[in-house]
Amino acid sequence: SAVISQKPSRDICQRGTSLTIQCQVDSQVTMMFWYRQQPGQSLTLIATANQGSEATYESGFVIDKFPISRPNLTFSTLTVSNMSPEDSSIYLCSVEGLNTEAFFGQGTRLTVV
Amino acid sequence: GESVGLHLPTLSVQEGDNSIINCAYSNSASDYFIWYKQESGKGPQFIIDIRSNMDKRQGQRVTVLLNKTVKHLSLQIAATQPGDSAVYFCAEKRGGAQKLVFGQGTRLTINP
Repeated sequence: SAVISQKPSRDICQRGTSLTIQCQVDSQVTMMFWYRQQPGQSLTLIATANQGSEATYESGFVIDKFPISRPNLTFSTLTVSNMSPEDSSIYLCSVEGLNTEAFFGQGTRLTVV
Repeated sequence: GESVGLHLPTLSVQEGDNSIINCAYSNSASDYFIWYKQESGKGPQFIIDIRSNMDKRQGQRVTVLLNKTVKHLSLQIAATQPGDSAVYFCAEKRGGAQKLVFGQGTRLTINP
């Protein structure tokens, strides 16, 4: 299984500001995924990040709000822009395993005040 | 719309008993299913998976059953332990797609 590290693990941010979350994987992977988990809820896919191309966003998520970078095969960032309290969630990075299962980082717990 | 959901949001079980967590899915094109365990403050942890050409798969103390006729998935945990207390999610992958669709989750509490 892949080891996925996310930074920061948690943050408290002022509304209107932006936060960039980093995801580092210990092996090269083709696809990386960003999920949002709102308080007490399940996981919802934000976007799929491929190296060398623009991220593919799911319905309800737009690049201006959640810009993503994927500079190489082991790293990706997700930015939560112009934050509001409704953006308070856990943001999770994941990668696909050999058998198509997904492995997750520990998540970034974001609180917007 | 299409969804993967769970019958019960919470489940309490006595330590040592067996537990069964259920999941319903609506897309007959789904061909791969996964159960995840999420402990407080952590990301989801892979437990077990099953492909649509199977109806049962066993792991260590866990068994996943797939009933394609009624689009139902279950996770059985044998001889539950306090460390099994967590939220359990089912997820499905639809043929050819890369993304996972998650169910709403069941919080399992193991009572001493």
